[in-house]
This record gives sequence, structure tokens and C-alpha cells, in this order.
Amino acid sequence: EVLMTQSPATLSVSPGERATLSCRASQSVSSNLVWYQQKPGQAPRLLMYGASTRATGIAARFSGSGSGTEFTLTISSLQSEDFAVYYCQQYNNWPYTFGQGTKLEVK
Amino acid sequence: EVQLVESGGGLVQPGGSLRLSCAASGFTFSRYWMHWVRQAPGKGLVWVSHINSDGSSTSYADSVKGRFTISRDNAKNTLYLQMNSLRAEDTAVYYCARDSLVGFDLWGRGTLVTVSS
Repeated sequence: EVLMTQSPATLSVSPGERATLSCRASQSVSSNLVWYQQKPGQAPRLLMYGASTRATGIAARFSGSGSGTEFTLTISSLQSEDFAVYYCQQYNNWPYTFGQGTKLEVK
Repeated sequence: EVQLVESGGGLVQPGGSLRLSCAASGFTFSRYWMHWVRQAPGKGLVWVSHINSDGSSTSYADSVKGRFTISRDNAKNTLYLQMNSLRAEDTAVYYCARDSLVGFDLWGRGTLVTVSS
């Protein structure tokens, strides 16, 4: 099973600032990585697939990068609606595994 | 409207059973692989099970293998999860999710399963 590790567990950033979230895989997952955003009481929402392609309707301030074992999600200028929990997930190997999440909170 | 709606959750005693349903609408359900993902209270997302588009192939997380069974009825646009021998650690919100082959692009709102005496 591929272990996905996200860091940091909690990230405190001020609105308008940049946020950088990391995700590391225990073995190469190529570019078969997605990012989800989850707000309290809501289902996850697909943000990014193929490590760097924004899903339909996702704002351009979200960008993703990386391949192999190291991945990054960057939010260029945080808006109030961006404060949430973010999960990475690999879909290169069964079972599809999630990271433990990064909570992005207001500083 | 394109949506997934889960139902069937509730309170069940340890060792009991529940059957979750996920009703799909607004898209061609039979074309998609589908998954169940769960989230324990205050915890992260955990993949539970998958089924391919015609129901001929399934897989399970080790934690539920032998106890849970995923199935689908493409004529009814419905996904199921039969959960037997439930344990306290199965307590979670259970989501169904559509597999777009590049991630889970559509999720239901979830149904809460509580296993407690």
C-alpha cells in the first residue's frame, strides 16, 4: 500500500497570502495524484488531477506541481472560502490511498 | 442535476448489519466505476471499496474485506454497500464517489453510520 504523507498538519496563513501544501508518496505514483478540498460538514471536492491540472470550475489561484513522490498544492492569494482541509490521493496503485490532510486556517 | 445521494445509515449494535444505498442521477451511471469512502468523526478520508462499471470487478480495503460487499444495479442507477459484522471502528460518514479515471469527481453528501451498544 502506498503511504501518503501530508505536511504540515495545520497551516496558518493570512488572507491574501500564499499557501503551500505538501504531499509525499512512499513510492512513485507518477503524476497520478489528485487534491481535494473539504469544508466542514461537506463532501470533498476535486481540485486538481494529474498532479497539476485544475478540475472544472476551480479558480486559477490553485496550482499543483510534482511527480513521482513529491507534490505541492499552492494557493497564490488566499480567499476566505479557501480555508478548509486539503487531502491528496494517489490513484496509481490499488488501494487508492489518501493523505491524512492539511488544515488550512486563518492566521 | 448531476448528483449522488446516499441513504441507509443509522445506529447499529456491534455485530449488526446495514445496507447503504447511493442513488445516482443526471449522468450515465453505468459508464462509471464507483467507490465508497468513509470518514470517522474528526478524521481523514479512507477508501473502502470500488466496483467497476458493470459490476464484474470489486476491491476492498483490508479493514473491511470479508465483512463488506459492494454491488450495483445499473438499471436502478444505484450503488450499494452491504456491511456485516459491524465494529465500533466502522463508525463514520460513508460517501459514495464517482471515478472519473483521474480522481473522484462527484461525491454524495454522505450518510452517517454509528456502531454502538
